[in-house]
Amino acid sequence: AQSVTQLGSHVSVSEGALVLLRCNYSSSVPPYLFWYVQYPNQGLQLLLKYTSAATLVKGINGFEAEFKKSETSFHLTKPSAHMSDAAEYFCAVIQGAQKLVFGQGTRLTINP
Amino acid sequence: NAGVTQTPKFQVLKTGQSMTLQCAQDMNHEYMSWYRQDPGMGLRLIHYSVGAGITDQGEVPNGYNVSRSTTEDFPLRLLSAAPSQTSVYFCASRQPNTEAFFGQGTRLTVV
Repeated sequence: AQSVTQLGSHVSVSEGALVLLRCNYSSSVPPYLFWYVQYPNQGLQLLLKYTSAATLVKGINGFEAEFKKSETSFHLTKPSAHMSDAAEYFCAVIQGAQKLVFGQGTRLTINP
Repeated sequence: NAGVTQTPKFQVLKTGQSMTLQCAQDMNHEYMSWYRQDPGMGLRLIHYSVGAGITDQGEVPNGYNVSRSTTEDFPLRLLSAAPSQTSVYFCASRQPNTEAFFGQGTRLTVV
């Protein structure tokens, strides 16, 4: 069954630095992949999604992710971090067509 | 268009009490799910439904019941609350092979 693994439960970067959050998936068929963001005491908000139309996916707030089949990865990046990017980020995949399952999350801290 | 609405936002229960967490969506989505969120464990799927009258278990179903009598509503019932069920609960809805939309969550404490 498809699943996702997020490498690094905490990532800390300086304001203005590159943000890289890692997600690897396990799937024998082209997956549907998602990145969500959760700000403190809020629900989850979709950042971007991969549905096989294009390997480089652009999302909201300047984030993007690249689907790499050879590496089974869907890492999230942003060229320049902003203080407002501090949040928890979740990678997710549709499993067996019916379930949406999540990775364990990565908490992003931005240092001034 | 309210999206996904969860009630209540906060709840404190005593061990052994029962309660129902409500979830309603107004987007005519086929699929609905319940998750619990605990520190360091991401979101874990409790139960899900792919249509009215159809429900199935996720990875952590014990102690919870669900039903789906209408497309719009998907309540989660705690039969006999335990401290291990202290968590933040999220309801979500979506169409097949698309992203999920989430409610704002219910913070449940069992004492």
